Amino acid sequence: GEDVEQSLFLSVREGDSSVINCTYTDSSSTYLYWYKQEPGAGLQLLTYIFSNMDMKQDQRLTVLLNKKDKHLSLRIADTQTGDSAIYFCAEGEESSASKIIFGSGTRLSIRP
Amino acid sequence: SQTIHQWPATLVQPVGSPLSLECTVEGTSNPNLYWYRQAAGRGLQLLFYSVGIGQISSEVPQNLSASRPQDRQFILSSKKLLLSDSGFYLCAWTAGTSYEQFFGPGTRLTVL
Repeated sequence: GEDVEQSLFLSVREGDSSVINCTYTDSSSTYLYWYKQEPGAGLQLLTYIFSNMDMKQDQRLTVLLNKKDKHLSLRIADTQTGDSAIYFCAEGEESSASKIIFGSGTRLSIRP
Repeated sequence: SQTIHQWPATLVQPVGSPLSLECTVEGTSNPNLYWYRQAAGRGLQLLFYSVGIGQISSEVPQNLSASRPQDRQFILSSKKLLLSDSGFYLCAWTAGTSYEQFFGPGTRLTVL
């Protein structure tokens, strides 16, 4: 079945870049997502990329997709304390059900 | 604009008691609806999804059930709670084949 894997923790210094990595198994994925979850809250879509794209940039966020290796990454430039959260990688197909499969989440902590 | 509500925000229940969590969506019609569980320190697990009234698909065998009595109402239930049912329950919706899922604020359930 589908599976999405990501490392559980990442610690970076404030002002540095954060890179969160993810691998997925479903080659028929249409969309790949990054969601952000702040403590005690629901998930918020940060950015997404279509499977026919290699890269997407949105302000401080850069998403890279290596479809051959089924590898997705999220780079956050100039990481700030407000970026502390859990970041979920997810994959989905374009279908009537629009199911999304989530990874376990990477907890990003920022040190001064 | 669309909003999604979950009730209650927190719940503490004894083992063996029943459960009813409610999710409602406003500002849209015929949404796809989803229930996820996030166990402590773990990722999101899709429990149920629904593409229409009375249509429920279960993703994993478990002690829980879901119902959709109205277009924009999704209910998660249990007849007898287990300790392992503790977790953070998130409801989400999406419009048809839209790529983005919108999440509710979540319900934190503690079973003692």
